[in-house]
Amino acid sequence: GAVVSQHPSRVICKSGTSVKIECRSLDFQATTMFWYRQFPKQSLMLMATSNEGSKATYEQGVEKDKFLINHASLTLSTLTVTSAHPEDSSFYICSARDRLWEETQYFGPGTRLLVL
Amino acid sequence: AQTVTQSQPEMSVQEAETVTLSCTYDTSENNYYLFWYKQPPSRQMILVIRQEAYKQQNATENRFSVNFQKAAKSFSLKISDSQLGDTAMYFCAFIVSRGDDKIIFGKGTRLHILP
Repeated sequence: GAVVSQHPSRVICKSGTSVKIECRSLDFQATTMFWYRQFPKQSLMLMATSNEGSKATYEQGVEKDKFLINHASLTLSTLTVTSAHPEDSSFYICSARDRLWEETQYFGPGTRLLVL
Repeated sequence: AQTVTQSQPEMSVQEAETVTLSCTYDTSENNYYLFWYKQPPSRQMILVIRQEAYKQQNATENRFSVNFQKAAKSFSLKISDSQLGDTAMYFCAFIVSRGDDKIIFGKGTRLHILP
C-alpha cells in the first residue's frame, strides 16, 4: 500500500524558533500534498494544499507567512512553522494524493509539536 | 456546501460483537468518493474502506463493510467480529471527483472495543 512518512515525529522547541516538518511519499508520486492540524479529540483541520512546483493554497485564517510550505518534488513537501509560539503547539499531519488514485489520500504518521 | 455528519460521538461494544457506525453527507454532486478512516491511539490515519458513488455494490474489506445508500446520502460502516485493535477514532470522509477538491471529514466517532 501507499506509504507516507513524516519527520520528525515529535519536536520540542523554544518560542521564537522555526521548525521544519518533512512529508514524503515513499512508493508513489504525489501530485498534491495536504497539511492538516489536529487539536485533541477533534477532526482534522485543513491548513493548506501543496502542489508540486507551484505555490501552496492556504485555507482561510491560516497565515501563509507563518506556515511556509514548499513542494519541491513529487515525493516531498515541507511545512515550516516560523517563529513558533506556544499556541502553535499541536499535532500536524500531512497527506498525499496518489496520481493513480487521485481521490484517495494517504496520511503520514503525524508530528507532535510542543513550543515552550 | 458539502458536509459530513457523524451522529455518534462515542460508542462501546464487546469484543467479537458487530457494530455499525453512522455517516450521512450532503452534496449536490453526482460523482464522488466516500471513505472511512481509522485513527488509533498512535494517531496514524489509516484508510479502512473506499466507495465510489457510481458503484451500487457496497465495498467490503475483510471484517469491514459499508452500507451505501446514495439516495439517502448515507454511508455506514459495519465492523464484524470486532477486535480490541479496532479501538480507535473513525472518520467518515467525502470528496468530489473533480481531482482538485478537498476531502471533507466528519467529526468522528470514538469506538471502544471492550474485552
